[in-house]
Amino acid sequence: AQRVTQPEKLLSVFKGAPVELKCNYSYSGSPELFWYVQYSRQRLQLLLRHISRESIKGFTADLNKGETSFHLKKPFAQEEDSAMYYCALSGLGMPGGYNKLIFGAGTRLAVHP
Amino acid sequence: DAGVTQSPTHLIKTRGQQVTLRCSPKSGHDTVSWYQQALGQGPQFIFQYYEEEERQRGNFPDRFSGHQFPNYSSELNVNALLLGDSALYLCASSPLAGGLGYEQFFGPGTRLTVL
Repeated sequence: AQRVTQPEKLLSVFKGAPVELKCNYSYSGSPELFWYVQYSRQRLQLLLRHISRESIKGFTADLNKGETSFHLKKPFAQEEDSAMYYCALSGLGMPGGYNKLIFGAGTRLAVHP
Repeated sequence: DAGVTQSPTHLIKTRGQQVTLRCSPKSGHDTVSWYQQALGQGPQFIFQYYEEEERQRGNFPDRFSGHQFPNYSSELNVNALLLGDSALYLCASSPLAGGLGYEQFFGPGTRLTVL
């Protein structure tokens, strides 16, 4: 079965501290992993995806197939990073083979001044 | 482009009633997916529509049904509402048949409360 696990409901850090939001997945096929972010009073939006290998707003995430993880990292947190972060899984081999997303429960990141 | 739009914003229904939620995809998008987000949970995939047909379905009962119109807009219908159907319902659209690699853009959601 396909599953995404985000073990932390809340991650609280001070401005300038490093951040790591954990994501583990379970999927037997070839996965596509995403991080979505929801800022206060805004809609869910894509932050980054593993195939792009981009750094967005200072965030990076590396797909580790051996550990089935896709942790989100940022070396120096900013107050404007405070938001809800969701890890999501899609990929070939899923029924239908289309871009259905399977989400984790989310982690709330709170960055304090 | 307003992006993905959904209506209504909020809705209150009682158990046993039926509800219809609406979604207009982002301009140029032809594929619409619906998700249910219960309080404190991540979004859960309900189903996806392309070319006016349901082509993928998540683990939801037949009480949940949908429709896609020729202009790509979509409706989500829920019959015989249960208290557990109270949630935020999200619509997402993507271009080019929703193939892998195409980003899904989300709407603001419709908050459904079942009393």
